[in-house]
Amino acid sequence: QKEVEQDPGPLSVPEGAIVSLNCTYSNSAFQYFMWYRQYSRKGPELLMYTYSSGNKEDGRFTAQVDKSSKYISLFIRDSQPSDSATYLCASRVSSGSARQLTFGSGTQLTVLP
Amino acid sequence: KAGVTQTPRYLIKTRGQQVTLSCSPISGHRSVSWYQQTPGQGLQFLFEYFSETQRNKGNFPGRFSGRQFSNSRSEMNVSTLELGDSALYLCASDAGGGNYGYTFGSGTRLTVV
Repeated sequence: QKEVEQDPGPLSVPEGAIVSLNCTYSNSAFQYFMWYRQYSRKGPELLMYTYSSGNKEDGRFTAQVDKSSKYISLFIRDSQPSDSATYLCASRVSSGSARQLTFGSGTQLTVLP
Repeated sequence: KAGVTQTPRYLIKTRGQQVTLSCSPISGHRSVSWYQQTPGQGLQFLFEYFSETQRNKGNFPGRFSGRQFSNSRSEMNVSTLELGDSALYLCASDAGGGNYGYTFGSGTRLTVV
């Protein structure tokens, strides 16, 4: 079992829809949670990061972490065709030396005009 | 502010050869991490360097190695290439401190034939 599991998609929604992207994780030591967006032939771009449980909002994007259920979510409001990309969740522990990110497999999102 | 620069963007190598990939982090960033991205395995951590020292290493064979120079630029080397080494190799830099969001480069697409 992978430490971070992500809904594989692909996901196709009409423009303006609310998109929900989800991951679960198994490592209780994970404290930092991130969402990356990756366009074709590009590197991942950091969208959101949160520490421990809670919500974080940035414009049309909201990240939620529920450590009790080990559940990570990203919501995109008023989705746009330019949001079409692969979305990757990632987690890492808080200790100083083990700073690597563990990624989910990614969800491919298409927003139709 | 310039982003993370990876060179070359594309490489084609023959089985058994070796290859060196280069990464220049964001100015002032002292931590550089390398990841391998394949369709089957997703993004997997290779290693991290900080101030010229390897701080952490993923579960890859010894054919994969890296180093970091005093100006924080990093190289990774893969010896005795195998077909399965074909992947997008991504470099990420991190400012450290309270920012746990890694900035990725666009990657080097390696094809082994």
